[in-house]
Amino acid sequence: DAGVIQSPRHEVTEMGQEVTLRCKPISGHNSLFWYRQTMMRGLELLIYFNNNVPIDDSGMPEDRFSAKMPNASFSTLKIQPSEPRDSAVYFCASCYGRGNSPLHFGNGTRLTVT
Amino acid sequence: AQTVTQSQPEMSVQEAETVTLSCTYDTSESNYYLFWYKQPPSRQMILVIRQEAYKQQNATENRFSVNFQKAAKSFSLKISDSQLGDTAMYFCAFKRGTSGAGSYQLTFGKGTKLSVIP
Repeated sequence: DAGVIQSPRHEVTEMGQEVTLRCKPISGHNSLFWYRQTMMRGLELLIYFNNNVPIDDSGMPEDRFSAKMPNASFSTLKIQPSEPRDSAVYFCASCYGRGNSPLHFGNGTRLTVT
Repeated sequence: AQTVTQSQPEMSVQEAETVTLSCTYDTSESNYYLFWYKQPPSRQMILVIRQEAYKQQNATENRFSVNFQKAAKSFSLKISDSQLGDTAMYFCAFKRGTSGAGSYQLTFGKGTKLSVIP
């Protein structure tokens, strides 16, 4: 299995621009998570999908952030308009079921907003 | 709410030596899971080891082992025969074992930066 695939690996954009991050979870996994990692706040859960349905989006910082999962093999995280404080590493992770099923993380997207 | 504390922001160890990373957590749950993840400079988060709270036996994965003290709410990671490739950030994480709201949440500590010195 190729693991969780995220694209792009790096993204540099100007303030005000729209940014779209992409994720392909591991085949068969029914839970998908978007995390944001910064030095100040560590790893923060942004949103959780189960069977393609958003279950908890309480971590999404503002209305500028939105996430979709149109099918079991694809998810997007969109920031519109982007701001410098959105600069961070964004991780997508997936797992199967509950319990001790561990999260499998993608390589992350490093976003820089200038 | 659960909290996870890693009190050592940075540590270093000589190659081939043993090092222990500490982690404590706070919860009122009796059933839960604990994990250690490694994040090397490549940035990917890699599962190192996991422990079910209902198991008394400490988990072991090759050179990695844990010391799980449920009463003390402590979950330390021991790395034996340290190798240069062990240089990374290490994150301790907690997950509730019961179903219901928030049971999918993985709560992470702030991490410990480990440097293995040749």
